[in-house]
Amino acid sequence: QLQLQESGPGLVEPSETLSLTCTVSGGSISSSSYYWGWIRQPPGKGLEWIGSVHYSGSTYDNPSLKSRVTMSVDTFKNQFSLKLNSVTAADTAVYYCARPSRGQTNDAFDIWGQGTMVTVSS
Amino acid sequence: DIVMTQSPDSLTVSLGERATINCRSSRSVLYTSNNKNFLAWYQQKPGQPPKLLINWASTRESGVPDRFSGSGSGTDFTLTISSLQAEDVAVYYCQQYYNTPLTFGGGTKVEIK
Repeated sequence: QLQLQESGPGLVEPSETLSLTCTVSGGSISSSSYYWGWIRQPPGKGLEWIGSVHYSGSTYDNPSLKSRVTMSVDTFKNQFSLKLNSVTAADTAVYYCARPSRGQTNDAFDIWGQGTMVTVSS
Repeated sequence: DIVMTQSPDSLTVSLGERATINCRSSRSVLYTSNNKNFLAWYQQKPGQPPKLLINWASTRESGVPDRFSGSGSGTDFTLTISSLQAEDVAVYYCQQYYNTPLTFGGGTKVEIK
């Protein structure tokens, strides 16, 4: 059974870069042609799609984040990663990694990690 | 971007009664070539990630109780819980995947009266 687990620092200083990793277990990140997703949720608020990344390196991200996003895949470690630069307090959120149900960018997400809280503060 | 608007923001329903949540998209999410609506519904309980309930506007995911149903097409959609159970207390979100950026509704909180 496929499982996802986010990891990374829980506290990031303003203007720095937020870096998170999602470890995939129970399946290979490159054995199926999936676009793996990142979604975030500010405390008490709704969900925002950050972007999606394919093991080939192809990415799609949300223009609302103004090109601050970098995503990558490490097939050897069976992980995919998110970097968000120039963070502000508005980037404080629970960050989720997720798998799309059909593997495509235009898709719903049927498997989610438990989420990791990231606070931007000095 | 396609804007997703849910109503109401919150809903209080007695156990065993029907709960109805609405979702409207700013543009049609119906892909005419295959006649599928690119619309999903999620349930999120406190401290948990969202759980996919319904795909393609009306297709229940495996293991989802049949008291949950989705309907609608184009720009107007509904999630119905036919007989509310205590374990259904949660926030419900719709999501369009017709195009990127993928967007979610603001959520509807369902509580027991």
